[in-house]
Amino acid sequence: DAKTTQPTSMDCAEGRAANLPCNHSTISGNEYVYWYRQIHSQGPQYIIHGLKNNETNEMASLIITEDRKSSTLILPHATLRDTAVYYCIVRPAGGTSYGKLTFGQGTILTVHP
Amino acid sequence: GAVVSQHPSRVICKSGTSVKIECRSLDFQATTMFWYRQFPKQSLMLMATSNEGSKATYEQGVEKDKFLINHASLTLSTLTVTSAHPEDSSFYICSAREGGTGLEKLFFGSGTQLSVL
Repeated sequence: DAKTTQPTSMDCAEGRAANLPCNHSTISGNEYVYWYRQIHSQGPQYIIHGLKNNETNEMASLIITEDRKSSTLILPHATLRDTAVYYCIVRPAGGTSYGKLTFGQGTILTVHP
Repeated sequence: GAVVSQHPSRVICKSGTSVKIECRSLDFQATTMFWYRQFPKQSLMLMATSNEGSKATYEQGVEKDKFLINHASLTLSTLTVTSAHPEDSSFYICSAREGGTGLEKLFFGSGTQLSVL
């Protein structure tokens, strides 16, 4: 699976947009970009995923560059409850890695008042 | 979204005893479940992949005789930590995949904090 690189930590003011970057320069054509987050002492929570088009749901937006080598997760109006570790994961749709998620170190997002 | 229930949320046991952790998919049939382990301040590490009705596939370095996985039904997988030792103390998390194209979301349980004294 392609490796991802994320900043170790980021801060964001409550009510502002949080933009979390992720580099995945070795991504393959059949690999999707997934974002999960983990609030302390809980299991990871799915946020969003995409292939090459930008995606939006009720939680966040995902912006993928045209060359697919990087992406940005956007939380439009961060709240204190969004404080968590955010994981960017690249995952193939099928093959021997079917269904597996390989977690990196993620980005610790701290939302402050 | 789909719900994965994991039980117990916390367990404390004596060294040498065995501990069973249950992972249930509540509103969907999980053909595959995954078991992860997470040490403090570290990321999740995949331990094994569990397919309903067949033997689990373990990641390199994970002892299959120590971490027994059973996936006897489409809604239940169990992880048994046998003869637990203090170094097995960790946060154990399961995830479940609903059968499909592979593009689906994986749903995670809330985790089990195991402390071995």
